[in-house]
Amino acid sequence: DVKVTQSSRYLVKRTGEKVFLECVQDMDHENMFWYRQDPGLGLRLIYFSYDVKMKEKGDIPEGYSVSREKKERFSLILESASTNQTSMYLCASSRQDNEQFFGPGTRLTVL
Amino acid sequence: GENVGLHLPTLSVQEGDNSIINCAYSNSASDYFIWYKQESGKGPQFIIDIRSNMDKRQGQRVTVLLNKTVKHLSLQIAATQPGDSAVYFCAENIFMKLVFGAGTILRVKS
Repeated sequence: DVKVTQSSRYLVKRTGEKVFLECVQDMDHENMFWYRQDPGLGLRLIYFSYDVKMKEKGDIPEGYSVSREKKERFSLILESASTNQTSMYLCASSRQDNEQFFGPGTRLTVL
Repeated sequence: GENVGLHLPTLSVQEGDNSIINCAYSNSASDYFIWYKQESGKGPQFIIDIRSNMDKRQGQRVTVLLNKTVKHLSLQIAATQPGDSAVYFCAENIFMKLVFGAGTILRVKS
C-alpha cells in the first residue's frame, strides 16, 4: 500500500512565523503535490514537483515555497505565515500520469 | 477534512439504494479522470479512475461513466451503505495536474 505521511496533523503558528510542512512518500513516486483545501473552494494546487530538485507553480503559489531535495520528501514552506493561510494542507504523490495518493492532511491555524 | 462540506451540493439516499453523483469537467483535452472520497478528518482516497478512451469502468460496487460529448462524469454506487457517507470529488488530469471539482456530500440514511 502507498503511504503518504505528513509531519503534523494539527499546527498552530503566529503571524510572521516561518512554517515548514513536511511530506514523505514510500512508493518511489516521481510526482509530489501540495494542495490547500478550504470550505467551498475544494482542493487548490499550490506547487508540484515531478523530480528531485524540480518544482512547478500550481494555481496559488503566492506566499509559499517548496523544496524537494530527496525523491521521497516534499516540503512546503510559508516564509512569513499570515492569517489567510489558515487552512487544511494536503500532500499527494503519484507515478507519472496516474492517480494521486493523499496524506492525512495538516490543519494549520495562523493566529 | 473538517468543514470541507460547507456550501456543497448534498445527495441524501436511503441505505441500500443506488447513488449517482455527477460532475461536469471543463477541458476537452483532459485524458484521465478520477473519483475520490473524503471522510471527515482524512485526506481524499482514490475510488476509481477512467481514461478518455473508455466510456465506462466498473469496480467493486462502483461504476464510473464518461460522456466526452457533453464533458460529463458520473459515479454510481450500488447498494449504498452508511460507510459511503463522505464528500466525493471528481478530478480531471490536465498535463500532469489534477483539477478538482468542488465536491458533493453524500449522506446515507439508515
